[in-house]
Amino acid sequence: ELKVEQNPLFLSMQEGKNYTIYCNYSTTSDRLYWYRQDPGKSLESLFVLLSNGAVKQEGRLMASLDTKARLSTLHITAAVHDLSATYFCAVDDYTGTASKLTFGTGTRLQVTL
Amino acid sequence: GAVVSQHPSRVICKSGTSVKIECRSLDFQATTMFWYRQFPKQSLMLMATSNEGSKATYEQGVEKDKFLINHASLTLSTLTVTSAHPEDSSFYICSAAPGVIGGYSYNEQFFGPGTRLTVL
Repeated sequence: ELKVEQNPLFLSMQEGKNYTIYCNYSTTSDRLYWYRQDPGKSLESLFVLLSNGAVKQEGRLMASLDTKARLSTLHITAAVHDLSATYFCAVDDYTGTASKLTFGTGTRLQVTL
Repeated sequence: GAVVSQHPSRVICKSGTSVKIECRSLDFQATTMFWYRQFPKQSLMLMATSNEGSKATYEQGVEKDKFLINHASLTLSTLTVTSAHPEDSSFYICSAAPGVIGGYSYNEQFFGPGTRLTVL
């Protein structure tokens, strides 16, 4: 059974600081997704990582994937209050014919002034 | 592009009644649709996967007779919560995957806005 763990579960950081959220998973997969969820809302897609060594950046967020280490990171640079949300990674347990996402535990990010 | 809608966005019902939630892909055909449940402050848990025209595949621990899924067309899937009870109160989110288009496999899932179910 695929297990996906994120840490930290909760992160309070000051505006302007940098931090990294980690996503570890237990089986081989080269497809990983990052999502953002605001309170009471559904998921917003942030990044799609489809190969080992993939790195993608959008604004203050950068995601990377190391399939050998079964690790993805979401790096936040110079945080701003608008980034406060819960962030989920999700690993695609793709069998070649079917796709199934297993979500991480989520990291609740609170950016304070 | 890749917009998924859900209806209703919020529903309150009495215990023992059935509730139907619709999930539609608005600008693409979805060979596969997924239903997730999310309890407060928890992650998303996959309930079932449905392919158009065939029976849904349920995850372990999800009652098939309680959560009826119908994927009648390439743009519509429905989840019916039968004889709902307060413990079924949750945020239900669907997603849709386009499948293969032009020989390329699109496995990314596009998520609907969610339906908040409250059972009194």
